[in-house]
Amino acid sequence: QSVLTQPPSLSGAPGQRVTISCTGSSSNIGAGYDVHWYQQLPGTAPKLLISGNNIRPSGVPDRFSGSKSGTSASLAITGLQAEDEADYYCQSYDSSLSGYVFGTGTRVTVL
Amino acid sequence: QVQLVQSGSELKKPGASVKVSCKASGYSFTKYGINWVRQAPGQGLQWMGRINTNTANPTYAQGFTGRFVFSLDTSVTTAYLQITGLKADDTAVYYCARDLGGYDYFDSWGQGSLVTVSS
Repeated sequence: QSVLTQPPSLSGAPGQRVTISCTGSSSNIGAGYDVHWYQQLPGTAPKLLISGNNIRPSGVPDRFSGSKSGTSASLAITGLQAEDEADYYCQSYDSSLSGYVFGTGTRVTVL
Repeated sequence: QVQLVQSGSELKKPGASVKVSCKASGYSFTKYGINWVRQAPGQGLQWMGRINTNTANPTYAQGFTGRFVFSLDTSVTTAYLQITGLKADDTAVYYCARDLGGYDYFDSWGQGSLVTVSS
C-alpha cells in the first residue's frame, strides 16, 4: 500500500489542461522532502519527468510543470497531446518508513 | 550515455531462486546508488530498496526482507537482485534505477526484467 495517493485516472481532450494530485502526509511531502514525477508509457520503463518539485530534465517539454504545497504536490500537463497518454507516478522520501515511496499512479487518457 | 541494461525474462517454478542483473555504463558506477523497483502485472511501482555502490551496504524496504538480496560486482559495474523461495505473487517486472543518494530521485532506469513464477 502506498503512502502517496493519486487519482486512479484522468482524461482530457487534445489541447486541454489536466492536473494530477499527489497527497502525502507529515512524514513525507509535509516534512519538506522533494516530490518527483515519472511518466510510464505503455510497455516501457518509467522516465523522470520532474525532479525537485518543479525542475524539468533536459528534453522534457515545458507543457509539463510541477508544484508542491503543504502535504501535497501536483503535476500539470497543458496543451494535452496524444503522446501524453501514459501512467504518471509521484515519488518522495518518507521518514517513518526510512525509504522512498511512490504514489498510487494516475492513468491519463487523451480523448 | 548513461545506460542500465538488465538481464532477460525468467520463468521459474515456485520455491526456486532467480538472480536479475543490472549492468551500468556511461558514468562513474560508485557515484550513484542502485535501487530496485517492482511492478506487479497491472499494478503500480513499489520501491524494494537500494544498494550503496561505494560500500555495498544494502537497505531493504518493508516487505522485502529475508528472501531478497542486493549485491554488486564493481569490477563489471553490475548490480544484482536475487530472490529466493519464489512465490506466485513475486511475478512482476523488476527495474533497477540509479540515484545520487540522500532523498533523491531516479534519473536513469533499466528496461525491466520480467520474472514469472508458475508451476
